[in-house]
Amino acid sequence: AQSVTQPDIHITVSEGASLELRCNYSYGATPYLFWYVQSPGQGLQLLLKYLSGDTLVQGIKGFEAEFKRSQSSFNLRKPSVHWSDAAEYFCAVDPYNQGGKLIFGQGTELSVKP
Amino acid sequence: GAVVSQHPSRVICKSGTSVKIECRSLDFQATTMFWYRQFPKKSLMLMATSNEGSKATYEQGVEKDKFLINHASLTLSTLTVTSAHPEDSSFYICSARVVPNTEAFFGQGTRLTVV
Repeated sequence: AQSVTQPDIHITVSEGASLELRCNYSYGATPYLFWYVQSPGQGLQLLLKYLSGDTLVQGIKGFEAEFKRSQSSFNLRKPSVHWSDAAEYFCAVDPYNQGGKLIFGQGTELSVKP
Repeated sequence: GAVVSQHPSRVICKSGTSVKIECRSLDFQATTMFWYRQFPKKSLMLMATSNEGSKATYEQGVEKDKFLINHASLTLSTLTVTSAHPEDSSFYICSARVVPNTEAFFGQGTRLTVV
């Protein structure tokens, strides 16, 4: 079945440590890929997106993600986490590459300890 | 960047009443808008696709008579939860796009509580 999987429901990292959030998808073609962040009770903020081209994508707030076709993955990384990065992170796929109709992963809650 | 505004941000209504949520694109014309629902500690589930001037397309399992969607102009789509019940309590988020093959922009969401 077509799906988006974020294997880690909750991750805790120390402030200043590196971070990697995993995302795998199961769609035949290469879909558009997105990472969003959501603070409690808030809407979604786009961190970065992959549409085509360079497989290493730079985003806002120091985040980057790498698209690996062979692994059907789009993992989010940050070299040094700040306390303000604590939030819910969603990987999303646009399977039709038409812009907008997104399928979301179940989310990864990030906690940052001092 | 493109701005999408939802109103209200929070609403409490009595069981059996209807409540309308607005989604506006403030600085662009949105040919298509999307409505999502998010349960606590859960992911976002697409409810329906709203195209300006035509009927909305609902995802499987979404009651179209319960969740009425109207996209009367290029800047406004509304979601009306009819005869609301406590199980309709949720966080509803809209997104809007300009043309195909571009990303969609999200509103800030509406927290609906039915008491």
